[in-house]
Amino acid sequence: AQKVTQAQTEISVVEKEDVTLDCVYETRDTTYYLFWYKQPPSGELVFLIRRNSFDEQNEISGRYSWNFQKSTSSFNFTITASQVVDSAVYFCALSEVQTGANNLFFGTGTRLTVIP
Amino acid sequence: DTGVSQDPRHKITKRGQNVTFRCDPISEHNRLYWYRQTLGQGPEFLTYFQNEAQLEKSRLLSDRFSAERPKGSFSTLEIQRTEQGDSAMYLCASSPGQAGRPYEQYFGPGTRLTVT
Repeated sequence: AQKVTQAQTEISVVEKEDVTLDCVYETRDTTYYLFWYKQPPSGELVFLIRRNSFDEQNEISGRYSWNFQKSTSSFNFTITASQVVDSAVYFCALSEVQTGANNLFFGTGTRLTVIP
Repeated sequence: DTGVSQDPRHKITKRGQNVTFRCDPISEHNRLYWYRQTLGQGPEFLTYFQNEAQLEKSRLLSDRFSAERPKGSFSTLEIQRTEQGDSAMYLCASSPGQAGRPYEQYFGPGTRLTVT
């Protein structure tokens, strides 16, 4: 069965600090996709990134970077030089190709608070 | 650029009443998903449509729930005989995905249901 674990329930950092959000997943599928979404206080989930299981290259987008390691089943998300606008709940999600729906299985989220 | 829209944004109803929510996906997205999110949790998959066909339902979708997507465009989610446990945020997402290719899903702002 699939499972996504975000062990960090809440994190607080001071503005300009770097912060890493952890995500560990479980799946029996050999082909799958991993996602990160941001849910700001307004409530709307915002897509950040999608990675497939065959691509372990790390990715950087501005202040955001992602580290995908199949050996440890982890897909961690780092925000560099955090800003107040980064305050939100961040969700890691898994989608298995084997399931026709390709629906997302979400973790329980990590609430990030950036203190000015 | 119009994203996914949902109506209403908030709904308060008394236990036992029926409610209906609407979702308008991004045009040309053939996949439409419904999720439910309770406080402090990640969204949980309810059901999905490929065009007008409802292809998968979660075990969370009891027989009091019904969803339609009559012309492969907008979708409705109806809950009959609401219970207090139905109180949650109901999220709709759309995706251009094809089978075996889990594209990113774009979420609407959600409908927050409160059952009193």
